Amino acid sequence: DADVTQTPRNRITKTGKRIMLECSQTKGHDRMYWYRQDPGLGLRLIYYSFDVKDINKGEISDGYSVSRQAQAKFSLSLESAIPNQTALYFCATSSRQDKSETQYFGPGTRLLVL
Amino acid sequence: GEDVEQSLFLSVREGDSSVINCTYTDSSSTYLYWYKQEPGAGLQLLTYIFSNMDMKQDQRLTVLLNKKDKHLSLRIADTQTGDSAIYFCADPWGGNTGKLIFGQGTTLQVKP
Repeated sequence: DADVTQTPRNRITKTGKRIMLECSQTKGHDRMYWYRQDPGLGLRLIYYSFDVKDINKGEISDGYSVSRQAQAKFSLSLESAIPNQTALYFCATSSRQDKSETQYFGPGTRLLVL
Repeated sequence: GEDVEQSLFLSVREGDSSVINCTYTDSSSTYLYWYKQEPGAGLQLLTYIFSNMDMKQDQRLTVLLNKKDKHLSLRIADTQTGDSAIYFCADPWGGNTGKLIFGQGTTLQVKP
C-alpha cells in the first residue's frame, strides 16, 4: 500500500463550488504539506503543518484553506473554486527527526474547474 | 525572495550523459534535493546532497554543488529511455524549516 494517499485522484467541478481534497499517510510523519503544480512553474507551496496544532500559509494560500484532522490526515479545501485553480495538487509528508528533511509525495489529484 | 531556476527542456540520445542544471538563491540550506516525476505520477526523491559536500555519486547519478556560485547539477550517466521524466531541484525555504522551493522542472527527453 502507498504510504501517502490522496483522494480523489481526478476531479472536475464548476466555478463557485466548494471542494475538498484529502491526504492520508501511514509513514508516521509529523509534517504535512500541500502543493500545486502548474506547467512551467514547478511546485508551489499552499499550506503546511508541522503538527496537528501548527498550520501555516505557504506561498499561495489565497482561495484555499486546510484542516489537520489528525497527525495522519491533512485536507485542502477550495471554498469557491475558480478556473485558475485548475492544477495538479500534491500532498507531501516529512519527519522532523529525519536530518535530511526529505519530503515524500502522494500521487497527486488532478483538478479541473470549469 | 528566494528563487530556484532550471532550464525547461533537455534532449539527449540513449547512452549519452545528461546534465541538468539548477541555480538557487538561499545559501543557508543544509541540504539540496533532486526529485523525479515520471508521467502521470507524483514526485519521488532521486537524491540529495549535504551542503558541505561538493559532489555526491550514487550509481549513475552524480550531483555537483558549487556553493560559491549557488549552482547545483545532476549528471545521469548512460541515460536510458526510462530516465525520461521531469526533474526538479529543490531548496529549503528560509533555511531548514521543512519547506521547499522548487525549480520549474527540466523535462528530459531520451531518444533511442
